[in-house]
Formats: sequence, structure tokens, C-alpha cells
Amino acid sequence: EAGVTQFPSHSVIEKGQTVTLRCDPISGHDNLYWYRRVMGKEIKFLLHFVKESKQDESGMPNNRFLAERTGGTYSTLKVQPAELEDSGVYFCASSQRQGVSYEQYFGPGTRLTVT
Amino acid sequence: GESVGLHLPTLSVQEGDNSIINCAYSNSASDYFIWYKQESGKGPQFIIDIRSNMDKRQGQRVTVLLNKTVKHLSLQIAATQPGDSAVYFCAETSGSRLTFGEGTQLTVNP
Repeated sequence: EAGVTQFPSHSVIEKGQTVTLRCDPISGHDNLYWYRRVMGKEIKFLLHFVKESKQDESGMPNNRFLAERTGGTYSTLKVQPAELEDSGVYFCASSQRQGVSYEQYFGPGTRLTVT
Repeated sequence: GESVGLHLPTLSVQEGDNSIINCAYSNSASDYFIWYKQESGKGPQFIIDIRSNMDKRQGQRVTVLLNKTVKHLSLQIAATQPGDSAVYFCAETSGSRLTFGEGTQLTVNP
């Protein structure tokens, strides 16, 4: 069974540009999460989808970040316009059962560098 | 070797020694605590978890200890191997989101 996949693995963009990250969860997992690790610090929650609906988006830092999960399958996270402080590693995770967050399976992450 | 949570983010041990990685958490309402291992270029991988109504749980070469009185979590790795070199994160949850600690870089010297 394929795990969580993320694309691209690395992205280098200039300040002010737009970047879109993609996450493909494990097939059949209704729950999809986005996290990020900035400046080598702790991994922080961004948001949680249940199917196509946003269950919790309280971790989104500001309105430059837009997450979508049309059709309840893969998800995208768009940053527009990107700022220097957005640099970091963005992780996606998925889980099958709602409310059982410890069973989250993580993707390899997308390393975003904003210059 | 032993780390002290967020204030000592690196731990270096000799192969074969036991390692202890510590973590302080803040939310007394958390009902699950998890340890993750992150290797370079990979996402966090689940190691072991523990419910808040337990104080110890053992896995293969790993043991997690939970002290709710002082809000402290530790991961013990027995007979540390070079393949154990990674960043270790503790995480807590009381719902759907995970709240992670800062991470500890474990380096195993041959």
C-alpha cells in the first residue's frame, strides 16, 4: 500500500511568488492534515480536513495560505504571495479514523525555501 | 545518555548504550502522547504511544514513561544502534490535532 506522498519534494521561490504544494493521502483515509516545521523548530499544526470539509483550520498563519481538498482525495496548499518566514518543511499526514489523531501517517514533506 | 527536553536539542551516545530523550508538555487535558522518529528526508514515523491513564508502556527496544504530575514524557531506547540516529519528537493530543515538541537530534557514535 502506498504511503502519503507529497509534491514537490523541494521548492525554491522568490518572495512575492506563489507556490502550490500537493499531498496525496493514503487511499481510503478521510482525514488529511497539514503541518509545517519552520526554522528547525517544532512541527506545528496548520489544518485538518475530513473528506473535503475543513474540520479545523485554526493553525493557518494568515490569509496568504489557502488549502483545498476538492473531491475529498488529494489536497493542495497554496501560499500567495510567499514571504521569507514561510520557509520550512511542510508535512501532510492522513488517518483513517476521525478523532484518532495518533494514527496519523506522515508524508516525506515539501521543503520550501523563499528567497 | 540523556537529553533535557526543549533546552538540549542534541544527544550523542555510543552504540550499544541506552538513550533517554525527555520532553515537557503543557496541556494537562491531553489524553494521548506519542513519540515520532524523523530521519533525514522523511516524514515523522510513529514509534510508540501512551494513554494518559498509563505511566509506562514498552515496545521493541523502546519504553515510554509518562509523569502527569510534572507533565513529563520520556523515551528510552535500549542498546542504541546507528540506525536510531534521527530527530525524535514528542507529541500530545486531546482531539484531532497533534501538538509537537521541538525535537531532539540523537546521534549514535560507532
